[in-house]
Amino acid sequence: KAGVTQTPRYLIKTRGQQVTLSCSPISGHRSVSWYQQTPGQGLQFLFEYFSETQRNKGNFPGRFSGRQFSNSRSEMNVSTLELGDSALYLCASSLSGTGARAFFGQGTRLTVV
Amino acid sequence: AQSVSQHNHHVILSEAASLELGCNYSYGGTVNLFWYVQYPGQHLQLLLKYFSGDPLVKGIKGFEAEFIKSKFSFNLRKPSVQWSDTAEYFCAAANRDDKIIFGKGTRLHILP
Repeated sequence: KAGVTQTPRYLIKTRGQQVTLSCSPISGHRSVSWYQQTPGQGLQFLFEYFSETQRNKGNFPGRFSGRQFSNSRSEMNVSTLELGDSALYLCASSLSGTGARAFFGQGTRLTVV
Repeated sequence: AQSVSQHNHHVILSEAASLELGCNYSYGGTVNLFWYVQYPGQHLQLLLKYFSGDPLVKGIKGFEAEFIKSKFSFNLRKPSVQWSDTAEYFCAAANRDDKIIFGKGTRLHILP
């Protein structure tokens, strides 16, 4: 069974631009969650999608948004990028929800310059 | 508010030493608990999880954790560490079907 796939692996953007990250969950998994990982802050929850609906949301500004498609693939969008958005963005998939075991992708390393 | 606290940000041990990483959570209701590990350059992997039942949980690579409800703790242990255990360890918690909240991580460095 293929794991969680995130694309691209690395991105460099300039301040003010927008970016879209993609996540393909494990086949059959309906829940996709997104996390921001930064040194010293650990993993901070962004949002979770389940069957194309946002089910949970973390404490991030509205510049961070996401969506999930009917095939469970998910995208995360960040608009008006700031230097502080530089981080590793992780996607996790699970069968029924984030209370269950989650499988993580390798992440997308975003650098904002 | 729900939270997960890891006591140590950075731990350095020699090979064969015993390991205990502390984790406390602040959650109401039934909670699922996890330990994840991130080896250098690799993605997060599940070490072990507790949903219910025996509070002493055994995971991969000789790790175990004990759920102590009265102390709101879920400490990770290993009797004898190896150099290959060098990694960052994350404790996490979630109510059923709710988002997983992670601690800030503990960087473990094992001296050969």
